[in-house]
Amino acid sequence: DGGITQSPKYLFRKEGQNVTLSCEQNLNHDAMYWYRQDPGQGLRLIYYSQIVNDFQKGDIAEGYSVSREKKESFPLTVTSAQKNPTAFYLCASSMTHEGVYGYTFGSGTRLTVV
Amino acid sequence: DAKTTQPNSMESNEEEPVHLPCNHSTISGTDYIHWYRQLPSQGPEYVIHGLTSNVNNRMASLAIAEDRKSSTLILHRATLRDAAVYYCILIPDHGGSQGNLIFGKGTKLSVKP
Repeated sequence: DGGITQSPKYLFRKEGQNVTLSCEQNLNHDAMYWYRQDPGQGLRLIYYSQIVNDFQKGDIAEGYSVSREKKESFPLTVTSAQKNPTAFYLCASSMTHEGVYGYTFGSGTRLTVV
Repeated sequence: DAKTTQPNSMESNEEEPVHLPCNHSTISGTDYIHWYRQLPSQGPEYVIHGLTSNVNNRMASLAIAEDRKSSTLILHRATLRDAAVYYCILIPDHGGSQGNLIFGKGTKLSVKP
């Protein structure tokens, strides 16, 4: 079955550490996205990528970095510059014409700073 | 981006139909109406979507008002597994993919046995 795989499901980070969240899709989707969700809140866009080797900042990109070296993969690095990284992180993908086809989401990674 | 308005919460009894309303009075002609649902600590799951006509699939039905300013998600027989937060969102189709999804707070559906 095609889908999006996020790993790990739970991640603990110490102060000052960088951590990388994995996102892999086998849907052959061109576009991929990273969102942050805080308790009781909607999704906020961190970064998105429409094609390989290209990505754009979303609304809350500060303290995060991404790469898109392969169509299937869009890892997110949470750097030590991110002041409040504890949150639920969601990866998604879509075909072009996302209104017609919608988005597919991964199962999420919960990051906690310890 | 157009926004949607949903009730904060709704309750249903198991095996009864549920009608989840959504208002989107500022919808534009290229906006598709999508519904997703989310369980705690999981990613949103696609439920159904439509543009102008009513839609049915194995999970639910979507009734769209003639002026497209509102829609209703219909679960024909609620089960305990349908308890989740349901989001109604508008996704424009203009050929680009910019990920600007406006997920509000959604409707938290509780299902009583």
